[in-house]
Amino acid sequence: DIQMTQSPSSLSASVGDRVTITCRASQSISNYLNWYQQKPGKAPQFLIYAASSLQSGVPSRFSGSGSGADFTLTISSLQPEDFATYYCQQSYSTPFTFGPGTKVDIK
Amino acid sequence: EVQLLESGGALVQPGGSLRLSCAASGFTFSSYAMSWVRQAPGKGLEWVSIISSGGNAYYADSVKGRFTISRDDSKNTLYLLMISLPEDAAVYYCARYTYSNSPNRYFDYWGQGTLVTVSS
Repeated sequence: DIQMTQSPSSLSASVGDRVTITCRASQSISNYLNWYQQKPGKAPQFLIYAASSLQSGVPSRFSGSGSGADFTLTISSLQPEDFATYYCQQSYSTPFTFGPGTKVDIK
Repeated sequence: EVQLLESGGALVQPGGSLRLSCAASGFTFSSYAMSWVRQAPGKGLEWVSIISSGGNAYYADSVKGRFTISRDDSKNTLYLLMISLPEDAAVYYCARYTYSNSPNRYFDYWGQGTLVTVSS
């Protein structure tokens, strides 16, 4: 099975900050990497697919990059509605593993 | 508008069975793979199972042999039959799985979740 890790596990940031979250796979997954956002008590929301493609309707301040085993999610200017937990997920092979999540909260 | 509505979550005893349902609308259900993802209280997301549009099913090792995923395309409904252990307590989400040209494969729509509690 492919294991996914994320760093940091949590971070505190201010509105307007640039935020970067890292996701690493235990083996190469090409660019079969997706990102989701989850707010407390809510279902996950789909943000980015194929490592760097923005889902329709997602603000352009979100971006993704990487390939192989190392990936990043960047929020260029953090907005109040972006405080949430972010998960990466590999779609290279079953089981479709998720990273443990990165919680972004208010500094 | 795509909508996924889970139901069936309940308190179940260890070793007991429970069937979750996910009613889908707003898209051609029969054309899509569908999946279950769960989240234990205070924990992260865990993929559970997926069923293709053709009915092929895959499971996480943690539930293999105890859970059965199925679908009824005539009713636009996804199911998960569970033989529950305490570690299965979680919110269960159904999610639509979209794949087109590789590597475009992702869970693009999610339901609101249904809570399963396992306790004697």
